[in-house]
Amino acid sequence: AQKVTQAQTEISVVEKEDVTLDCVYETRDTTYYLFWYKQPPSGELVFLIRRNSFDEQNEISGRYSWNFQKSTSSFNFTITASQVVDSAVYFCALSEATGRRALTFGSGTRLQVQP
Amino acid sequence: EAGVAQSPRYKIIEKRQSVAFWCNPISGHATLYWYQQILGQGPKLLIQFQNNGVVDDSQLPKDRFSAERLKGVDSTLKIQPAKLEDSAVYLCASSLRQIASSTDTQYFGPGTRLTVL
Repeated sequence: AQKVTQAQTEISVVEKEDVTLDCVYETRDTTYYLFWYKQPPSGELVFLIRRNSFDEQNEISGRYSWNFQKSTSSFNFTITASQVVDSAVYFCALSEATGRRALTFGSGTRLQVQP
Repeated sequence: EAGVAQSPRYKIIEKRQSVAFWCNPISGHATLYWYQQILGQGPKLLIQFQNNGVVDDSQLPKDRFSAERLKGVDSTLKIQPAKLEDSAVYLCASSLRQIASSTDTQYFGPGTRLTVL
């Protein structure tokens, strides 16, 4: 069975601080996808990134960066120079590469960025 | 391009009443998902459709929940009768689902927040 663990329930930082959200996953599949979604107070889940299990290259997109380490089954997300608009709940998720492809979500990390 | 549409956005009902939610996926998306998100938790899959066929409904409480996607486009999710523990946000998502393709990202609608009193 697949499992995603986000051990940090809530993180509070001051604007311009860097913050890292942790994600650890379990799967028996050799091919899978990892995702991060953002859920602002409006409630809609916003897609941020998809990474497949064959691609361990880190990725940077503006102030966002992701560190995928297959050896430790982790897919961590860093926001550099955080802003108040980054305040949201962030979910890490996992899906099979074939078959169902439904997402297994972690429990989420609530990030509060104080001005 | 229009996103995933859901209605209503909010619904309050008494326990034992029935309720229905509607979802219109992104145009051309073959796969449609319904997730239930209880407060403080991540979304959990209820049912997955590929076109108008059910791929996975193993987590759907079939004694009270039903869903359909008759023409392979819009979908409705129904609860009858509702229980207190059904209070949650019901999220609809869709994906292109290109067979043998590596690109299959799910895009979510705004959700329907259900409160059962």
